[in-house]
Amino acid sequence: GDSVTQMEGPVTLSEEAFLTINCTYTATGYPSLFWYVQYPGEGLQLLLKATKADDKGSNKGFEATYRKETTSFHLEKGSVQVSDSAVYFCALSTGANNLFFGTGTRLTVIP
Amino acid sequence: EAGVTQFPSHSVIEKGQTVTLRCDPISGHDNLYWYRRVMGKEIKFLLHFVKESKQDESGMPNNRFLAERTGGTYSTLKVQPAELEDSGVYFCASSQERTGLRSETQYFGPGTRLLVL
Repeated sequence: GDSVTQMEGPVTLSEEAFLTINCTYTATGYPSLFWYVQYPGEGLQLLLKATKADDKGSNKGFEATYRKETTSFHLEKGSVQVSDSAVYFCALSTGANNLFFGTGTRLTVIP
Repeated sequence: EAGVTQFPSHSVIEKGQTVTLRCDPISGHDNLYWYRRVMGKEIKFLLHFVKESKQDESGMPNNRFLAERTGGTYSTLKVQPAELEDSGVYFCASSQERTGLRSETQYFGPGTRLLVL
């Protein structure tokens, strides 16, 4: 069945450090891939998405590239800020409309 | 434009009691979804409405859970009777009408944190 495996956390980084959160997936067909973020006390927000192989999603300095050959969608940011502290969820959607999520990775950025 | 809203934000009940969660989707969104995150685990799909009809309820854990969307606007999710393992965060999401094969972006509410004691 469809599933997402996400890098386990928590992750603690210093401000301006480079961030990578790994995400791999298993899916039948050709899924769309997403990164959602949940800031403290708030709901899930769509951070970025990619709908086909080799697409790169980007937003707020974050990037992720849809890699079909490695079934991956790793999230990266070159220089994190304290305000990036949140829980990050990788997700996929296939022919059905529902999303399949990873377990979430908590990121804490310290000044 | 108002986002997806959920009520209550938190609920603490005793085992065996009944709880009803409410979700108001973004106005005009035909698709409404319920998801649940049990402590520390992944967010799991529960069910999907298209307007007032249940499109997919394959994720509903058992018959103690009842979801409704009368009139195709807001939705309720009732748990009766609640068990300890029902504790978690219940998220609601909505999206516009699906176009072709492309999945439309789902917009999530803040969630309802349910604790069953």
